[in-house]
Amino acid sequence: KQEVTQIPAALSVPEGENLVLNCSFTDSAIYNLQWFRQDPGKGLTSLLLIQSSQREQTSGRLNASLDKSSGRSTLYIAASQPGDSATYLCAVRPRLEETSGSRLTFGEGTQLTVNP
Amino acid sequence: DTAVSQTPKYLVTQMGNDKSIKCEQNLGHDTMYWYKQDSKKFLKIMFSYNNKELIINETVPNRFSPKSPDKAHLNLHINSLELGDSAVYFCASSQEVRKQFFGPGTRLTVL
Repeated sequence: KQEVTQIPAALSVPEGENLVLNCSFTDSAIYNLQWFRQDPGKGLTSLLLIQSSQREQTSGRLNASLDKSSGRSTLYIAASQPGDSATYLCAVRPRLEETSGSRLTFGEGTQLTVNP
Repeated sequence: DTAVSQTPKYLVTQMGNDKSIKCEQNLGHDTMYWYKQDSKKFLKIMFSYNNKELIINETVPNRFSPKSPDKAHLNLHINSLELGDSAVYFCASSQEVRKQFFGPGTRLTVL
């Protein structure tokens, strides 16, 4: 059974810092990995999706990496801003040949606070 | 335009009642999902439909019944609501196994 862990559970940084959020998963047989952002009381916004064959994806100040063999992904946020404050969730999708091919298994999230 | 929409946004009801949550997506996706986010903010899949067919049904009580009248809609009906059903329910959609897009969530409170 796939388990996804995110460390740290909470992180508070001053504005302008570069930071790294970590995600690890127990079963490396994944199809892709997706990073989401959730603002308080709101839904999830997809940030980046990395296919299992890829090593990283970039979008603006965000860079996500994937090391499938070690079961790890990181989300790097450059020059953090107060508007980045949110909970960041990673989720993995198993390989297609499994019957549960469409499910996402989520980590518990990292709550990020960027202080002005 | 809202890509994935859910109604209602908030739902407060008494134990034992039956309620429904509606979800619609205008992205032309072929797969839709229901997730439950508990008080500890942990998100877990409940159901997944592909082209109106149920393909994932997690260990969810029979009181929960999803219904997909067409590819753009996936509704969740809950019978005999219990206190433990209080949570935020998220609908999502994707085209096959590509990126999933989530709705804003429905916060269900059972009194």
